[in-house]
Amino acid sequence: GAGVSQSPRYKVAKRGQDVALRCDPISGHVSLFWYQQALGQGPEFLTYFQNEAQLDKSGLPSDRFFAERPEGSVSTLKIQRTQQEDSAVYLCASSRDLLRGNQPQHFGDGTRLSIL
Amino acid sequence: AQKITQTQPGMFVQEKEAVTLDCTYDTSDQSYGLFWYKQPSSGEMIFLIYQGSYDEQNATEGRYSLNFQKARKSANLVISASQLGDSAMYFCAMREFTGGGNKLTFGTGTQLKVEL
Repeated sequence: GAGVSQSPRYKVAKRGQDVALRCDPISGHVSLFWYQQALGQGPEFLTYFQNEAQLDKSGLPSDRFFAERPEGSVSTLKIQRTQQEDSAVYLCASSRDLLRGNQPQHFGDGTRLSIL
Repeated sequence: AQKITQTQPGMFVQEKEAVTLDCTYDTSDQSYGLFWYKQPSSGEMIFLIYQGSYDEQNATEGRYSLNFQKARKSANLVISASQLGDSAMYFCAMREFTGGGNKLTFGTGTQLKVEL
């Protein structure tokens, strides 16, 4: 399809394992965002890329969280040594560019991560 | 302080009636944008409508309109002629163009239920 694609849709991991979540943005979208959405809450910002450059990672909760977008397209969010509090839905969003403020971010369906 | 406040955790509306979902925001930026998103139970975030801080007119998109009161810092979403398919979680979000980077800051959402 033409939308933002995230995989896997669901991920179950044991505490202490590493996980990798993938995001394939809309073709041609320069900006890419990761958000974390806890149950019953609004999404919270994690990090932002413009092409391959990670311009803002102020929302990453700890150094166990790492994101990359090496070729300016697909992005991977990696969580090392997972803990139970990492259980959440991880949303990826992309945007054409942000020079115009009214450009919306288009979201994927998210990856629901459960840490046992 | 909360940047986005949605005070209605849940709302009910009868089919074909109009409903207003409240959103107030807090920012010291002069230039900002306000977005509304819909999140059905399936999880995807769907962009509905945008209002820029300098826009003179209230934004409208089909059955959605935004009641923007800048002095009160409120940006309420009005859905006219509600349909059963409007049942979902609704999030208000803000992008602060000067001091906020490019991220969206979300409220906690309002769960809307449309009844027959």
